[in-house]
Amino acid sequence: GQNIDQPTEMTATEGAIVQINCTYQTSGFNGLFWYQQHAGEAPTFLSYNVLDGLEEKGRFSSFLSRSKGYSYLLLKELQMKDSASYLCAVRGNAGNNRKLIWGLGTSLAVNP
Amino acid sequence: ETGVTQTPRHLVMGMTNKKSLKCEQHLGHNAMYWYKQSAKKPLELMFVYSLEERVENNSVPSRFSPECPNSSHLFLHLHTLQPEDSALYLCASSQNRDPGQGAYEQYFGPGTRLTVT
Repeated sequence: GQNIDQPTEMTATEGAIVQINCTYQTSGFNGLFWYQQHAGEAPTFLSYNVLDGLEEKGRFSSFLSRSKGYSYLLLKELQMKDSASYLCAVRGNAGNNRKLIWGLGTSLAVNP
Repeated sequence: ETGVTQTPRHLVMGMTNKKSLKCEQHLGHNAMYWYKQSAKKPLELMFVYSLEERVENNSVPSRFSPECPNSSHLFLHLHTLQPEDSALYLCASSQNRDPGQGAYEQYFGPGTRLTVT
């Protein structure tokens, strides 16, 4: 079957660094996405990885290892507004950009 | 503001009612999606329209009926729903083409919080 695993909850301190892991088992792979969702709001796109390695975007970075079926989202210099749910999603069907397989999300609480 | 709007934002309906959810995207995309988001469950893809043609339907009960009159608008018609249908219904849009190494990420609307009583 197809499966995406990520921790349910994490807690971190303002100004610190946090790493949110995602492991996946899917039939085929054509990219991995990270989305941020604040409570009561829409998910918003953070990052996309399709090749192995690290993609950096300001305070957020995302890493992918296709051989290990593993990704992480790294958040630096945490701010209170980073408290949100972080969703990992894999596009499993090459040539079809429509269907994403979603994880349950990791709820991150940033404390002062 | 992501360029995808949804109305209404909140809806309470009885099991015998008929209502419709509306989604509009202003991003020039050619694919639109309906998702259901329930507590402690991953996002569930319900329907996908590409170029106004329904291309995916994930075994959704017939009490949910989608309509896509053009590439900018998407509706979800609801009738005789059950309490377990209470959830957040999210609309999304994207470009739909062979992704290659392109992201063509989905942009989400704010959702409709539906409560069935």
